[in-house]
Amino acid sequence: DTAVSQTPKYLVTQMGNDKSIKCEQNLGHDTMYWYKQDSKKFLKIMFSYNNKELIINETVPNRFSPKSPDKAHLNLHINSLELGDSAVYFCASSQDLIAGQYEQYFGPGTRLTVT
Amino acid sequence: SQQGEEDPQALSIQEGENATMNCSYKTSINNLQWYRQNSGRGLVHLILIRSNEREKHSGRLRVTLDTSKKSSSLLITASRAADTASYFCATDHSGNTGKLIFGQGTTLQVKP
Repeated sequence: DTAVSQTPKYLVTQMGNDKSIKCEQNLGHDTMYWYKQDSKKFLKIMFSYNNKELIINETVPNRFSPKSPDKAHLNLHINSLELGDSAVYFCASSQDLIAGQYEQYFGPGTRLTVT
Repeated sequence: SQQGEEDPQALSIQEGENATMNCSYKTSINNLQWYRQNSGRGLVHLILIRSNEREKHSGRLRVTLDTSKKSSSLLITASRAADTASYFCATDHSGNTGKLIFGQGTTLQVKP
């Protein structure tokens, strides 16, 4: 069974469109994250949720909106897509909020290409 | 910026040799973690070392932490072709927000 799953794996869309990426974890973890990895492999956190509560909201354009319907799911909706949004987006989860005490489990990633 | 730096950016070795990767950071940490990323895949956790620890082992992996120098190293002994991947260090500076700061990674190629 996949611990952290994301859909879709690939997403190709045009500028200006709105798209969503879904993430689910079956590990029973309390905390979930969204990361963005650019073409140089630089990985940066975007959001984290703990028990459906937003904890981290980095300097991300408000076109990006995370939604956590329950502890096991964290979706990412992106409005008015721009070329610069092209990247690989990773969902991750950890047992608890204190990241330094628990490892994070990553999903396989969603490669978003905006044309 | 708190972002860590990894050195070297790329490393190419023969199977059976040891590989050493270094990570430096700028501000004090609670913990440091190492992750591996195979091409086109998600990151996989390798080792977590707390700020009060100096060395940790896991199989062929050995991690050291020197908080006075704000640096860590990852040693992979007797490397295998399957170790070919990118390796990232990640630092926890906050302790209670879930935020990890990732370095830019070291790309390791192990030639059979």
